[in-house]
Amino acid sequence: GAVVSQHPSWVICKSGTSVKIECRSLDFQATTMFWYRQFPKQSLMLMATSNEGSKATYEQGVEKDKFLINHASLTLSTLTVTSAHPEDSSFYICSAGAETTGGSNSPLHFGNGTRLTVT
Amino acid sequence: AQSVTQLGSHVSVSEGALVLLRCNYSSSVPPYLFWYVQYPNQGLQLLLKYTSAATLVKGINGFEAEFKKSETSFHLTKPSAHMSDAAEYFCAVSEGTGNQFYFGTGTSLTVIP
Repeated sequence: GAVVSQHPSWVICKSGTSVKIECRSLDFQATTMFWYRQFPKQSLMLMATSNEGSKATYEQGVEKDKFLINHASLTLSTLTVTSAHPEDSSFYICSAGAETTGGSNSPLHFGNGTRLTVT
Repeated sequence: AQSVTQLGSHVSVSEGALVLLRCNYSSSVPPYLFWYVQYPNQGLQLLLKYTSAATLVKGINGFEAEFKKSETSFHLTKPSAHMSDAAEYFCAVSEGTGNQFYFGTGTSLTVIP
C-alpha cells in the first residue's frame, strides 16, 4: 500500500535553532500534503495544506513565517520550525494524498509523526 | 463551526467482546464523517467514512459505524474485539468544503486477553 515516510521520528533541539521535518510519499505522487500538530491528549490540528509548486495555505492562527512549508516536488514536502521555542514542542504529523469526498479533501496516508522537543 | 467529541479517552474491553467507541459531532451542514486508527509508532489509517450515502458504513478489519442524524452521532463498533485492535482511534468531521477537517481527541482502546 501507499507509504508516507516522515523524518526524523524524533528530534531535540535548542531554543532559537531551526528544525526541518521531511514528508515523502514513497510510491505515489502527492500534489497535496497536510501538516498537523498534536498536543498530548488533544486532537490533531491542521496547520497548513501544502500544494506542489505553489504556496502553502495556512490555517488561522498558524504563523507562516515560523512554520515554513516547502513542497518543491510531487514526492516531498518539508516543514521547517524556525527559531524554535519550548512551546513549539509537539508531535507533528504529515499526510500525503487526498481523496475528494464531496467538495472536501480528506487526508489519505499519514506519516508516523515527528516528536519535537525544544530545550 | 464543526467539532467532534469522543466520549471516553480510554476504553477497555475483553477479547471477543463488543467494541463501542463513541463520537458525536457538531456541524451546521450535513457532515462527512471519518474514523481513523493509529497503531503505536505508526501513522493514521482510514477505517471508514460516511459520505451521505448509506447510514451504516462498513470499514476495514470488521469495524462499522452508523450515522444517526437525530443523535448527531457516528459511533464505531465491532462485534468481537481482537488483541490486534488495541490502538488509538480518532473520529473526524468535514463539512465538505476546502480542507477543513477536524479530529476528535482520540480514544485509546485496550483489549484484555
